[in-house]
Amino acid sequence: LAKTTQPISMDSYEGQEVNITCSHNNIATNDYITWYQQFPSQGPRFIIQGYKTKVTNEVASLFIPADRKSSTLSLPRVSLSDTAVYYCLVGDILTGGGNKLTFGTGTQLKVEL
Amino acid sequence: EPEVTQTPSHQVTQMGQEVILRCVPISNHLYFYWYRQILGQKVEFLVSFYNNEISEKSEIFDDQFSVERPDGSNFTLKIRSTKLEDSAMYFCASSGSLRGSGYTFGSGTRLTVV
Repeated sequence: LAKTTQPISMDSYEGQEVNITCSHNNIATNDYITWYQQFPSQGPRFIIQGYKTKVTNEVASLFIPADRKSSTLSLPRVSLSDTAVYYCLVGDILTGGGNKLTFGTGTQLKVEL
Repeated sequence: EPEVTQTPSHQVTQMGQEVILRCVPISNHLYFYWYRQILGQKVEFLVSFYNNEISEKSEIFDDQFSVERPDGSNFTLKIRSTKLEDSAMYFCASSGSLRGSGYTFGSGTRLTVV
């Protein structure tokens, strides 16, 4: 599994855009990049997944440069409810279900008024 | 949106007792998992289960732990002879058979061993 590095914490204010970058220098050809969100005392929740370039859904955007050695999760106009831990995961899921997920320490995002 | 349901939400048990944590995975999912998170630490994989047998387990998942799918809907984690260090949030998850399909976690059971 590719090792990931992301900031331990970030602070922001309501209404701002937040970008969390994850480094994964040893990403393999078959690896996808997946981001999860975790609120206190809750299970991780899937946010977005991508392989290359840009992916956007109703919650976030994921930017992946051509070399795929890093990725950036972008949260537009954050609110207090976006305060959570954000995890970047990299792994091969081309084979379908049954893969375990390996979580790092994540990035604690704190959003203030 | 389909959910993974876990019961109880909080369980307190005395050291040395056995506990059973229960989960109802998403109905059309085929893979089931247990993870745990000790307070302030990472989410750690314990075990995955497919086709009525364990497909992978971590070093944490020793003889003290067992899993079972007693019927078509429930998935349980049994912890025998609990220790203080077993105190943690235990998360059940399930996923489908297709690439990246719906890996969904439950809200967890907070286990406190006293």
